[in-house]
Amino acid sequence: KNEVEQSPQNLTAQEGEFITINCSYSVGISALHWLQQHPGGGIVSLFMLSSGKKKHGRLIATINIQEKHSSLHITASHPRDSAVYICAVSPDKLIFGTGTRLQVFP
Amino acid sequence: EPEVTQTPSHQVTQMGQEVILRCVPISNHLYFYWYRQILGQKVEFLVSFYNNEISEKSEIFDDQFSVERPDGSNFTLKIRSTKLEDSAMYFCASSGGLDWGTQYFGPGTRLLVL
Repeated sequence: KNEVEQSPQNLTAQEGEFITINCSYSVGISALHWLQQHPGGGIVSLFMLSSGKKKHGRLIATINIQEKHSSLHITASHPRDSAVYICAVSPDKLIFGTGTRLQVFP
Repeated sequence: EPEVTQTPSHQVTQMGQEVILRCVPISNHLYFYWYRQILGQKVEFLVSFYNNEISEKSEIFDDQFSVERPDGSNFTLKIRSTKLEDSAMYFCASSGGLDWGTQYFGPGTRLLVL
């Protein structure tokens, strides 16, 4: 069983829709990271959180430590949000999920 | 904005050859990492490096792999004798600035072993 599970694996949306990507993990962690991987392969760190909620622009990340679950929300989605979103947890080293491929159509 | 850089962006090599992948982390960072991503698979941790020594390594990081920080700026990953299964995208990352735990990734080196 994977230590980090993401759902859905693939997601398509119309521009403007509210998007939710989920991440569940089975190990004890010190922090959870949300990353964005562009079609060219580059990886950008979006959030690192260990409790509660963080917001940056149209992106919101939440974590529930007791339930070992995190969500990434995108409000008013835009075609430029199309990417793979990766959840990773750090007990110490980073353990990555398989990613959620998001496509937002105009 | 400071960024992590990696060279080369692409490398093609013959099986059994040695390759060195180079990274320049963000200058005030203290922690350095290598990851790899085989095509179509998830990103995997290889090794972390702090205070001029390996702090953790994965099962993938066997004797064929080594890392070095030869000077104050470069961080290298060497694969001594490449295998076909080493073909992957290799990412360097660094952390340890003001946003302590956030890792900043380089653009990656795509390695193809023939």
